[in-house]
Amino acid sequence: GENVEQHPSTLSVQEGDSAVIKCTYSDSASNYFPWYKQELGKRPQLIIDIRSNVGEKKDQRIAVTLNKTAKHFSLHITETQPEDSAVYFCAASIRGSSGGGADGLTFGKGTHLIIQP
Amino acid sequence: GAVVSQHPSRVICKSGTSVKIECRSLDFQATTMFWYRQFPKQSLMLMATSNEGSKATYEQGVEKDKFLINHASLTLSTLTVTSAHPEDSSFYICSASLGRGYEQFFGPGTRLTVL
Repeated sequence: GENVEQHPSTLSVQEGDSAVIKCTYSDSASNYFPWYKQELGKRPQLIIDIRSNVGEKKDQRIAVTLNKTAKHFSLHITETQPEDSAVYFCAASIRGSSGGGADGLTFGKGTHLIIQP
Repeated sequence: GAVVSQHPSRVICKSGTSVKIECRSLDFQATTMFWYRQFPKQSLMLMATSNEGSKATYEQGVEKDKFLINHASLTLSTLTVTSAHPEDSSFYICSASLGRGYEQFFGPGTRLTVL
């Protein structure tokens, strides 16, 4: 099955600086890579996603890059703000055994992002 | 984005009892729903894929007789934790998707505590 590794587990940056979180995946069949932000006790919220036919995607201060050959993808947050503090999870879609419908997600272990004022 | 609800949000039960958790997609029809479990300060682990009108597909290591999943309609999936034990205490989150490669919308989660 799919295995997703995420680094670092904790990242502390000064407000206004950039933060980068990296993930690798093992299953070359994975084709969908979302990033989620989760605040304590709440549901994961999708912040950006990328599909395997695209190398980079940007949405305001957030960007994601994907290298299919190397099987890694990264989240970039620029001009970080205190409200960016949360746990961030990368994920990759895995093929369902039924061959149809949607695929479950394999998550990385998460990165606790701390924005220092 | 689409709205997914879960009920109950919190449940405390005695060891040996069964607990049912409902997951509903409120504004779209979800052919497929997923159930995840999240232990404190850990990641989400996929437990099973729930397909409307058919049997759920369980991930390796997840006991299908302990975690019963029913997906009776395009807007409702239920997870029943049978004969719950303290080690089943966790945060259970469902999600719903429009299809392969599309965004998954997560429910708010259910905090299960087994005494």
